[in-house]
Amino acid sequence: EDQVTQSPEALRLQEGESSSLNCSYTVSGLRGLFWYRQDPGKGPEFLFTLYSAGEEKEKERLKATLTKKESFLHITAPKPEDSATYLCAVRSSKLTFGKGITLSVRP
Amino acid sequence: GAGVSQSPRYKVAKRGQDVALRCDPISGHVSLFWYQQALGQGPEFLTYFQNEAQLDKSGLPSDRFFAERPEGSVSTLKIQRTQQEDSAVYLCASSLAGDGYGYTFGSGTRLTVV
Repeated sequence: EDQVTQSPEALRLQEGESSSLNCSYTVSGLRGLFWYRQDPGKGPEFLFTLYSAGEEKEKERLKATLTKKESFLHITAPKPEDSATYLCAVRSSKLTFGKGITLSVRP
Repeated sequence: GAGVSQSPRYKVAKRGQDVALRCDPISGHVSLFWYQQALGQGPEFLTYFQNEAQLDKSGLPSDRFFAERPEGSVSTLKIQRTQQEDSAVYLCASSLAGDGYGYTFGSGTRLTVV
C-alpha cells in the first residue's frame, strides 16, 4: 500500500526565514510525486510534479526536489502570502496524499 | 469551463437522508477523481473514472456510496442513509489523459450530517 508521511505537521516562520518541508514516501511503481498548496475552504492547487530521483523544479520562492525515498519543498525568503497547507502526493494507480504541512509566515 | 465546478458548496443533511454531490470537470478532461477530506487530514481517494468507465472504486467506504459519470463528463457522488462519520469535504479532480500537468481540483462540497 502506498504511504506518504509529511513533516513537520505545522511550521511557523518569520517573513524571510527560509526552510524546507519534508515528504517521505513508499510506493509501488512511482508515476509521479506531486506537491499541492491548499488554502482554507479551497481545493488543492497544483504546484509541481516530479518523476525521477535528482529532478528539481522551481516556481517563484518554491523549489521541489526528489530522491528515491523523499521529496523536499524548499521555501526561500517566504512571505505572509505563502501561508497555506502544503500537500504531497504520490501516484501509482491513484494519488495518495499525506496529511499536509500547515505553514504560517509572520510579517 | 475554466475550472472544476462542484455543487452545492455546502450541504447539511439529517442523519439517514440521501445526498447527491455534483462535479463538472474541465471540458475535455478524460479522467475524473473523487476524494474525501476530513478536517485536518489529507484527501483520501474514493473512486476514479476514465470517460464513463469507473476503473477504480476501491476507496468507497461502504455500499452506501455510489458514483456515476454516465456520459463521460459530469459526475455525481451519491451517499445513501448518511451518517455522522460521512461529514467531510468531498473533492472532485479532473485531468487530461497522460496527466503530466497534475490534477485540477474543485473547491469541494462540505457535507455536514446532523
